[in-house]
Amino acid sequence: DTGVSQDPRHKITKRGQNVTFRCDPISEHNRLYWYRQTLGQGPEFLTYFQNEAQLEKSRLLSDRFSAERPKGSFSTLEIQRTEQGDSAMYLCASSLYFPGRIVETQYFGPGTRLLVL
Amino acid sequence: AQSVTQLDSHVSVSEGTPVLLRCNYSSSYSPSLFWYVQHPNKGLQLLLKYTSAATLVKGINGFEAEFKKSETSFHLTKPSAHMSDAAEYFCVVSDPRAGNNRKLIWGLGTSLAVNP
Repeated sequence: DTGVSQDPRHKITKRGQNVTFRCDPISEHNRLYWYRQTLGQGPEFLTYFQNEAQLEKSRLLSDRFSAERPKGSFSTLEIQRTEQGDSAMYLCASSLYFPGRIVETQYFGPGTRLLVL
Repeated sequence: AQSVTQLDSHVSVSEGTPVLLRCNYSSSYSPSLFWYVQHPNKGLQLLLKYTSAATLVKGINGFEAEFKKSETSFHLTKPSAHMSDAAEYFCVVSDPRAGNNRKLIWGLGTSLAVNP
């Protein structure tokens, strides 16, 4: 089963360090989403790509955050100069979009749990 | 603007008894509605989705939900709870008209506990 995969599953880092997460979507999916989830909350949208184009970024995505999807397949999310407030679960989802499709279903990966000390 | 409200933050049931997780939505247009489940330290799994084809939607693991436009509700039910159903459940709304962006609007979640 080739669902959405994320790597690493867990990351512990010290404040001020840079971290990078990877997401591999379902192979035929052209859209890829990043979310952040803190304890007791639902996921918060960060950004999404359609193929290699980054179509929207949330205001939650500060300048320290950058996401790429260079070849329209896997994506990376980098956090520079991490802060303790960045500690969260980072979720990736993918979907298949085409014009006229009424319902676009997002399928989620297992997430990367980040702890900033 | 769209919104979704999960009416209970915690629900506790006994194994073998029915489950009801309540969700109300607000949308100016016919929304798409989803229920996702998240087990501890795991990712989100799609339980079911409403696509306007049928108001009663059957999902995985015996769950189903009924779309009631007059009540703006999309409650999740299961006839008989199993211990493995203990998890966090999220009701989600998506506006098909939302331009080119199909952002999901998430409820705050309902934590389901199943007692032996």
